[in-house]
Amino acid sequence: AQTVTQSQPEMSVQEAETVTLSCTYDTSENNYYLFWYKQPPSRQMILVIRQEAYKQQNATENRFSVNFQKAAKSFSLKISDSQLGDTAMYFCAFFGYGDDKIIFGKGTRLHILP
Amino acid sequence: KAGVTQTPRYLIKTRGQQVTLSCSPISGHRSVSWYQQTPGQGLQFLFEYFSETQRNKGNFPGRFSGRQFSNSRSEMNVSTLELGDSALYLCASRSDPKPGELFFGEGSRLTVL
Repeated sequence: AQTVTQSQPEMSVQEAETVTLSCTYDTSENNYYLFWYKQPPSRQMILVIRQEAYKQQNATENRFSVNFQKAAKSFSLKISDSQLGDTAMYFCAFFGYGDDKIIFGKGTRLHILP
Repeated sequence: KAGVTQTPRYLIKTRGQQVTLSCSPISGHRSVSWYQQTPGQGLQFLFEYFSETQRNKGNFPGRFSGRQFSNSRSEMNVSTLELGDSALYLCASRSDPKPGELFFGEGSRLTVL
């Protein structure tokens, strides 16, 4: 069964700094998708960025980028020039065609400090 | 386009009672998934419905059930509530052909006393 592990339960950084959230996963599939979702306090979860496993190029969305290491089964999220609005719970997630469902890690609570 | 709507947003029940939660997906989305979110366990997959059929199921006891209607609206039911069922229940819809990308509702926060 696929698993997603986020080893950092909580992190704090100063505004404008760069922060990296870690995620590792385990799967026997070769084609899959990886995601980072953001859940702001008392607000709904939204997709931040996604990566297709067969694409070697790392995905980028404005200040958000990923470091996808397929062989190491690692998928970290980098937030550049962090802003107060980035304060949220961040979930790493995996979708595999075998299970055809998306599973989540336990999340990393990120605090951006003024 | 309206987002995913979940009702009720908050509810309090006592042990042994049952509860029904409702989810209306984004218009045109035929898939609805349910997740249980707790501080210690993160998001755990309950089940997914697609075109009124249960497509996938997580590792939850039979007290947790769901269904989907012809208009894609979904309900989940929890019977014989236990204290440990206190959680935020999230519903998410998705549309093909983007596998895996989920659009979430704001959740239904259930407290069991």
